[in-house]
Amino acid sequence: SFELTQPPSVSVSPGQTASITCSGDRLGNKYVSWYQQKSGQSPVLVIYQDGKRPSGIPERFSGSNSGNTATLTISGTQAMDEGDYYCQAWDSSTGVFGGGTKLTVL
Amino acid sequence: QVQLQESGPGLVKTSETLSLTCTVSGGSMSYYYWSWIRQPPGKGLEWLGHIYYSGSTNYNPSLKSRVTLSVDTSKNQIALNLTSVTAADTAVYYCARTREGYNWSTGSYWYFELWGRGALVSVSS
Repeated sequence: SFELTQPPSVSVSPGQTASITCSGDRLGNKYVSWYQQKSGQSPVLVIYQDGKRPSGIPERFSGSNSGNTATLTISGTQAMDEGDYYCQAWDSSTGVFGGGTKLTVL
Repeated sequence: QVQLQESGPGLVKTSETLSLTCTVSGGSMSYYYWSWIRQPPGKGLEWLGHIYYSGSTNYNPSLKSRVTLSVDTSKNQIALNLTSVTAADTAVYYCARTREGYNWSTGSYWYFELWGRGALVSVSS
């Protein structure tokens, strides 16, 4: 079955660039979405169709997808960006989420 | 603005049916898909299925035989039924307004653009 693999954790210093990867077989042929979930809150869509930002999402969030790996990049990371990030894609009309990456800003 | 609110029993007995309702306020259900996604305590997200406002459905094969979604546009509600529950079904259940897009390589895809606050359901004997 199709699986998406994310690193369990990523740490970044404030103001630096954070990169969170998501790997899956031929993932570059699929569109990837990314969701941010802060502690105790519901997930929020931050990137869809690999690199598009919904209204209200800061420009520091960007995404790319090629080969077997999609990447969420947060430029100039702020303390408010701390939380769990999930990638998501579709395989044969079945929704699949990555296991999630805990982003720590320290 | 549009808001989604999940509601239903917070405790369900083992082997019984979990039933939740998602109520949409502040907007129309038309021309959207509506998804259910769950998250066991301390764990990741799992897509359960989605339903178009007209009633067509798509379920996660891992749960397909136990999950049923339905929609009532007159009440602005989407319902989730999950049968034969076990402790493994203990989770926060989210509903999400869902958009469809198209990928020339792989066909339709969807993304969850607006989420409800979630409802915690515990399964216990």
